[in-house]
Amino acid sequence: TAGITQAPTSQILAAGRSMTLRCTQDMRHNAMYWYRQDLGLGLRLIHYSNTAGTTGNVEVPDGYSVSRANTDDFPLTLASAVPSQTSVYFCASSLTSGGADTQYFGPGTRLTVL
Amino acid sequence: GQNIDQPTEMTATEGAIVQINCTYQTSGFNGLFWYQQHAGEAPTFLSYNVLDGLEEKGRFSSFLSRSKGYSYLLLKELQMKDSASYLCAVSSNDYKLSFGAGTTVTVRA
Repeated sequence: TAGITQAPTSQILAAGRSMTLRCTQDMRHNAMYWYRQDLGLGLRLIHYSNTAGTTGNVEVPDGYSVSRANTDDFPLTLASAVPSQTSVYFCASSLTSGGADTQYFGPGTRLTVL
Repeated sequence: GQNIDQPTEMTATEGAIVQINCTYQTSGFNGLFWYQQHAGEAPTFLSYNVLDGLEEKGRFSSFLSRSKGYSYLLLKELQMKDSASYLCAVSSNDYKLSFGAGTTVTVRA
């Protein structure tokens, strides 16, 4: 089974350009999440969606936006990339947004903004 | 905000036991997760604790004390493939996960 996939695997982006990181899951999970992972800081939640049609943000939303038009897809868009957005981005999903549900992670997208 | 602390690095010998501690201060508590992450890969689920006590899963065990804001992950009979980063994550009042920075475990022959 595919589980959760992300694209692209890696990308080098010029500052000021826009980019959309794609995330798709086939587990029919209601909740989806975007994290960034930086050395020494651990995973930080950027945006989440409890169910299709709803979104929210938590820790580091500035410069990022998301949409959740359907259950399976949860794209993350950088409108105008800056070097501080250089990171590894992980998408995750869980059956519900309840605290006891395990989150399953995609393979990640390594983004470098120059 | 949420505060989750775990050691940065640990080294152990193949066949030995290693204990990774995690302390947390969060707004509410709805459970604690441990994830394993090999270099360049995605985090994968290891264990979940919501009640005090020890949960055992093969070579891995996880312990929780809610009153002390403390958990540990115990890795027994260490194997080379256990070399990875281990992430402690707490689900708090808003049901979102807050992660510690991770503990890198190196297993030596």
